[in-house]
Amino acid sequence: EPEVTQTPSHQVTQMGQEVILRCVPISNHLYFYWYRQILGQKVEFLVSFYNNEISEKSEIFDDQFSVERPDGSNFTLKIRSTKLEDSAMYFCASSAGAANTGELFFGEGSRLTVL
Amino acid sequence: AQSVTQLDSQVPVFEEAPVELRCNYSSSVSVYLFWYVQYPNQGLQLLLKYLSGSTLVKGINGFEAEFNKSQTSFHLRKPSVHISDTAEYFCAVRGGATNKLIFGTGTLLAVQP
Repeated sequence: EPEVTQTPSHQVTQMGQEVILRCVPISNHLYFYWYRQILGQKVEFLVSFYNNEISEKSEIFDDQFSVERPDGSNFTLKIRSTKLEDSAMYFCASSAGAANTGELFFGEGSRLTVL
Repeated sequence: AQSVTQLDSQVPVFEEAPVELRCNYSSSVSVYLFWYVQYPNQGLQLLLKYLSGSTLVKGINGFEAEFNKSQTSFHLRKPSVHISDTAEYFCAVRGGATNKLIFGTGTLLAVQP
């Protein structure tokens, strides 16, 4: 069964360092997303991406964040200068279609710990 | 804008007992509703979804949910739970022109022997 894969599963970094989280969405999917979950809190939307551009982003997704689809398979989330409050589980998701077609498929997450 | 409320942060239940996890939503447009499950140290897995049609939706692992438009609810039920159902359950809504999911705060289902 096709799945969304994320690397690394866990990354520890120092405050102020740049971090890149990587995702390989399901191969025929067209929409890509990043969500995050701070420990013990709800899953929050960060950004959606379609046709090589951001289609929607939340207030959390400020100038410190960027996304990229550098090739035909990877979808990355970059945090330019990490802060303590960026510590969270980051989930990548993909879907075959847009709002009317339902399911987002999630990866298992990348846990980011900022010290 | 859409929002989701899961009033119960934790629901303890004995094995083989029935369970209901509550979810209420608000939206000014038609919505699509979802329940996701998160087992410890794992990602989010879709349990079931309501897009249109029958208001009673059946999902995986014996779960079902009923969409009630007048009460703006989408409660999740299972007639008999197992220890293996212990997990965090998230209700989510998607609606209008947006393709993002809005999640509730989650309900921890703790099944005890």
